[in-house]
Amino acid sequence: AQSVTQLDSHVSVSEGTPVLLRCNYSSSYSPSLFWYVQHPNKGLQLLLKYTSAATLVKGINGFEAEFKKSETSFHLTKPSAHMSDAAEYFCVVSRAKAAGNKLTFGGGTRVLVKP
Amino acid sequence: EPEVTQTPSHQVTQMGQEVILRCVPISNHLYFYWYRQILGQKVEFLVSFYNNEISEKSEIFDDQFSVERPDGSNFTLKIRSTKLEDSAMYFCASRGGTDTQYFGPGTRLTVL
Repeated sequence: AQSVTQLDSHVSVSEGTPVLLRCNYSSSYSPSLFWYVQHPNKGLQLLLKYTSAATLVKGINGFEAEFKKSETSFHLTKPSAHMSDAAEYFCVVSRAKAAGNKLTFGGGTRVLVKP
Repeated sequence: EPEVTQTPSHQVTQMGQEVILRCVPISNHLYFYWYRQILGQKVEFLVSFYNNEISEKSEIFDDQFSVERPDGSNFTLKIRSTKLEDSAMYFCASRGGTDTQYFGPGTRLTVL
């Protein structure tokens, strides 16, 4: 079994300040972890993924996430927010190397970027 | 860059009617998925499909639901007799040899 908890449903930041989106997961198996972003009226776009290689993962648009097994966390960060980062972000877990590979989503964090 | 497409973007139907949601996965992908998101709730897995058969399905995916890959390019989700609670955004996804799933923009289904 697997589950994901995103600790903040909404985050508001000022442009140019750091962004932190928190995610904790639970998995009976060795997990693969992902962050997806959804802009309004768009599909879900992959930001980055962790699949048991380096624990610090770099993604697109300056985002990165750190896998901490001891804390069962996979928090997403960006040093400096841009207006275009306003979107909904989903932390997602799946069972690594599983044939079906279904994804389990967190509840999402909506990011608002203030000018 | 290849992408997953879905049609229609918005479907309105009457309760009890059949609907078919269509998806065109990325052309060399072999694994296909449907997810849904009821307004205000989490994105939920419905079904995965590989080698022309269902590989896994959730409790939500009951006898009212079916999937098909009719022609080697489309991947469809059929709901035989829609209920009010089927109103949701439905996402199609596909993947190739890695574990990354690529999502379409979704179809918003409204059941009246």
